[in-house]
Amino acid sequence: GAVVSQHPSWVICKSGTSVKIECRSLDFQATTMFWYRQFPKQSLMLMATSNEGSKATYEQGVEKDKFLINHASLTLSTLTVTSAHPEDSSFYICSAPLPRDHNEQFFGPGTRLTVL
Amino acid sequence: AQSVAQPEDQVNVAEGNPLTVKCTYSVSGNPYLFWYVQYPNRGLQFLLKYITGDNLVKGSYGFEAEFNKSQTSFHLKKPSALVSDSALYFCAVRFPFSGNTPLVFGKGTRLSVIA
Repeated sequence: GAVVSQHPSWVICKSGTSVKIECRSLDFQATTMFWYRQFPKQSLMLMATSNEGSKATYEQGVEKDKFLINHASLTLSTLTVTSAHPEDSSFYICSAPLPRDHNEQFFGPGTRLTVL
Repeated sequence: AQSVAQPEDQVNVAEGNPLTVKCTYSVSGNPYLFWYVQYPNRGLQFLLKYITGDNLVKGSYGFEAEFNKSQTSFHLKKPSALVSDSALYFCAVRFPFSGNTPLVFGKGTRLSVIA
């Protein structure tokens, strides 16, 4: 089956620094990728939809200048948490649907971000 | 508003007993329904989906779910629970003919299978 990878799997950073998370579709092309955020013991909340070659679409309440998304190729989307603060600590998960079957979505393993 | 509800935060079941994790949805039309499982510090793994056809859907690891349109439910079931089934389970919905739209998730239900 299709595979989506994320890197890094976990990261610890100091408050005020920026962190980049990569999401890759390993054996298929993804014109769209979704970025979710998950707080402990809570559900996944959609943050934004990443579109290859165009601007990302952000959900209400998500700061686009805070969470920069770049979908530079058909297999890579990046989420950069800028000037991270402790409240940004969370589990970030990306997903990508297959091009011809939007009902098949594959999730990355997630990235745990801890901001000190 | 379109939503998915998982009324139970936690389900406890003894190993070998049948398990049910509940999911109801509130949407117009005929949505596509999904179940995913999440193990600690891991991404989501697909279990099964209902698109059309037979209301009883069989999925991975012996799980199945029944689509009930009149009750707008899609409960996840397994005839005999294993300790290794202990995890966080998410019900999700997506709407047909809606292009490249994301899944909408329920809040999740934590399943604990006790030996």
